[in-house]
Amino acid sequence: EAQVTQNPRYLITVTGKKLTVTCSQNMNHEYMSWYRQDPGLGLRQIYYSMNVEVTDKGDVPEGYKVSRKEKRNFPLILESPSPNQTSLYFCASRLTSGTGPYGYTFGSGTRLTVV
Amino acid sequence: AQKITQTQPGMFVQEKEAVTLDCTYDTSDPSYGLFWYKQPSSGEMIFLIYQGSYDQQNATEGRYSLNFQKARKSANLVISASQLGDSAMYFCAMREGWNTDKLIFGTGTRLQVFP
Repeated sequence: EAQVTQNPRYLITVTGKKLTVTCSQNMNHEYMSWYRQDPGLGLRQIYYSMNVEVTDKGDVPEGYKVSRKEKRNFPLILESPSPNQTSLYFCASRLTSGTGPYGYTFGSGTRLTVV
Repeated sequence: AQKITQTQPGMFVQEKEAVTLDCTYDTSDPSYGLFWYKQPSSGEMIFLIYQGSYDQQNATEGRYSLNFQKARKSANLVISASQLGDSAMYFCAMREGWNTDKLIFGTGTRLQVFP
């Protein structure tokens, strides 16, 4: 089944303890992206990647790192999580060529709580 | 300034009726793409429809159509023959330029379909 897989689905952690949220897609999509969703704010883009070893900042990159060493994987790293990073996180991927559609396919989300 | 504005926090529509969800955008880039996503209460994000700034015709996907009015900078989503399963949050989003994947989302409209 074509999908974007995020792990874990739920995570509670303590301030300052490094964590990684994994994201993997099996659709050979070129582009991948991370978003956070907070009530009343919609989705805000954290980082995106248009190719292996190419990443760019979205609107809210502070406090996050990403890497794209392989086409299928795009992990999100929080080196020192803080309570204001408590949020629902989505990974997504999409095609960039052909007849489309060009919309992102999203993972199921990771609900992160930092205490 | 808000780049994507969804002015309707909530909308109600009766089953089988059509409904229009508003979205206005702000950009000075002649190349951009507009997207609509649906988020049911289960939380997943579902891509609905895409409109490129140079597309001559309004995009349509089944019961979804995008009323693209370039001069007014509006990209309203029209859902025809609403179904109970259409009850969800709907997000409008924009990508500015072609050599980027920076995506900006609106704050969403919650649609409730009643029998």
